[in-house]
Amino acid sequence: DTEVTQTPKHLVMGMTNKKSLKCEQHMGHRAMYWYKQKAKKPPELMFVYSYEKLSINESVPSRFSPECPNSSLLNLHLHALQPEDSALYLCASSQEGVSGNTIYFGEGSWLTVV
Amino acid sequence: AQSVAQPEDQVNVAEGNPLTVKCTYSVSGNPYLFWYVQYPNRGLQFLLKYITGDNLVKGSYGFEAEFNKSQTSFHLKKPSALVSDSALYFCAVRAAGGFKTIFGAGTRLFVKA
Repeated sequence: DTEVTQTPKHLVMGMTNKKSLKCEQHMGHRAMYWYKQKAKKPPELMFVYSYEKLSINESVPSRFSPECPNSSLLNLHLHALQPEDSALYLCASSQEGVSGNTIYFGEGSWLTVV
Repeated sequence: AQSVAQPEDQVNVAEGNPLTVKCTYSVSGNPYLFWYVQYPNRGLQFLLKYITGDNLVKGSYGFEAEFNKSQTSFHLKKPSALVSDSALYFCAVRAAGGFKTIFGAGTRLFVKA
């Protein structure tokens, strides 16, 4: 079982809505990630936080806004999304400063934009 | 730039037979290589990784992978396939010291009873 917990598991939102995806880990990891995955495609990196600071933004549109309130929590705020943003959003975490650190994934949040 | 190639969209194997899922990579410097498995409507589960040392890496559920530096490959293997191994398998690579883990396109494994 994964130790990265994501809520909600499913989310349906309109294009004018504001919603948030939440992620929590209690493994003491200091790096946290958001990935987007379309059906039958590999995960695509969106954001990386290291020690609660944003270290990588893969040119993600501003309608996606990440937030890392503390070392255990990671949020993804959603606003004015488009139907093509419908996908599985995966949160992940890993240790910092460890060679070859493994990324551990949550079960994901299925997002449908209508 | 780093990249991963999984040349087969799907691999079909009979239960009890050995299986191989292929992966080749390109990265500057020493690679960290990973295999993940994804079951339908689930997140990715870590299977195994290569950092350094023995070229044959053993992982979860009886899977193993062989690192070949000269061929820049990291093929996933299992001596005897189970129907329950049917899933989507992703190879991934990260350059030493980097944050970006790049995933291959994925290979769907179908094990027939």
